[in-house]
Amino acid sequence: DSGVTQTPKHLITATGQRVTLRCSPRSGDLSVYWYQQSLDQGLQFLIQYYNGEERAKGNILERFSAQQFPDLHSELNLSSLELGDSALYFCASSGGASRRDIQYFGAGTRLSVL
Amino acid sequence: GEDVEQSLFLSVREGDSSVINCTYTDSSSTYLYWYKQEPGAGLQLLTYIFSNMDMKQDQRLTVLLNKKDKHLSLRIADTQTGDSAIYFCAESPDSGNTPLVFGKGTRLSVIA
Repeated sequence: DSGVTQTPKHLITATGQRVTLRCSPRSGDLSVYWYQQSLDQGLQFLIQYYNGEERAKGNILERFSAQQFPDLHSELNLSSLELGDSALYFCASSGGASRRDIQYFGAGTRLSVL
Repeated sequence: GEDVEQSLFLSVREGDSSVINCTYTDSSSTYLYWYKQEPGAGLQLLTYIFSNMDMKQDQRLTVLLNKKDKHLSLRIADTQTGDSAIYFCAESPDSGNTPLVFGKGTRLSVIA
């Protein structure tokens, strides 16, 4: 068990809908990262938060947004869903300011858009 | 930009050693990682190596880093059927606490 908790494990929804994925980082970790794993694109970084602030942005679509709350949990919001958004979404966390920083991943949320 | 390359498939016999190779482009990478993903499962951190090290051993796993050639390898000794999975190489560019850049993964098949 990595200590990173993601809910829900599976999500099935329809095109045009909006969903929220949730992540609780390991205790004490300040950074949260979101990654998308799809068959054609592999594992791609979406966005990173550090202690409530956006730190880095990757290949995140404008239809997607995220935030990190004061208790450090994070949510990834996906709206106007398309078939191509079907993927495994991972959250990872790491300890923050230390240079020696290892990312641990949650089990992922599998999103199916029908 | 950063890029991480891995061969896509590797097949070995049970009991043999497996060697999974990876090349990366970012010379400022401080951490290099190996993650394992079993079917339908998440990403499990297997091991990592700091860029100031050449080798790291952890039980059946040996990681070798050649900084000059930007080449990383993962050797699994006495490979078992339970080692069948996809293995991802990843680098952490710049300082720590930065997003990872992943390779596309090597699918290891272990034949009994």
